Amino acid sequence: AQSVAQPEDQVNVAEGNPLTVKCTYSVSGNPYLFWYVQYPNRGLQFLLKYITGDNLVKGSYGFEAEFNKSQTSFHLKKPSALVSDSALYFCAVRDPNSGNTPLVFGKGTRLSVIA
Amino acid sequence: SQTIHQWPATLVQPVGSPLSLECTVEGTSNPNLYWYRQAAGRGLQLLFYSVGIGQISSEVPQNLSASRPQDRQFILSSKKLLLSDSGFYLCAARLAGGPFQFFGPGTRLTVL
Repeated sequence: AQSVAQPEDQVNVAEGNPLTVKCTYSVSGNPYLFWYVQYPNRGLQFLLKYITGDNLVKGSYGFEAEFNKSQTSFHLKKPSALVSDSALYFCAVRDPNSGNTPLVFGKGTRLSVIA
Repeated sequence: SQTIHQWPATLVQPVGSPLSLECTVEGTSNPNLYWYRQAAGRGLQLLFYSVGIGQISSEVPQNLSASRPQDRQFILSSKKLLLSDSGFYLCAARLAGGPFQFFGPGTRLTVL
């Protein structure tokens, strides 16, 4: 079975400081991993994905994430946070051998960047 | 590029009334389609998914149903709404053979 854990409900960071939003996963094989962002009353927007290749993935708006197989983690990072980064962030996983199974999402982490 | 349209954007309905939410996809054929519900700005609950016309998988037993009358149309329905049906409903699609899902703008449903 596939699962995703986002251990923090809320992350607070000062503007200009680095930010990290944590994600760990569980799948039987090599995972496909994703980060999405949701602004209030909007749908989810795709940020970045890891499919294969370089463990460090760069995405939209200056975000990046590092795939760590030994720790089964895919933490989202940004070197310098902006107030406009404040939103709800979702990590998701998919086993590529799972056929048509939907993505499995974490419960979300609310990021608050304080000016 | 692929786009998902959801209609209506917001809806206020009385308890016991019927529901029909529509999702249409542009820019692709034969997508996998999904309905999610999100309560109080938190996690996503997968309600239904479809891999083709007329094929619906239900993830959570409840008073909602889904239909896929056309390749790029996915409809969420209810005969009688409950207070607990209030939430933000998101439609998503995955391209056939593609790795990730993209989302529509959502419908905010309030049941009074």
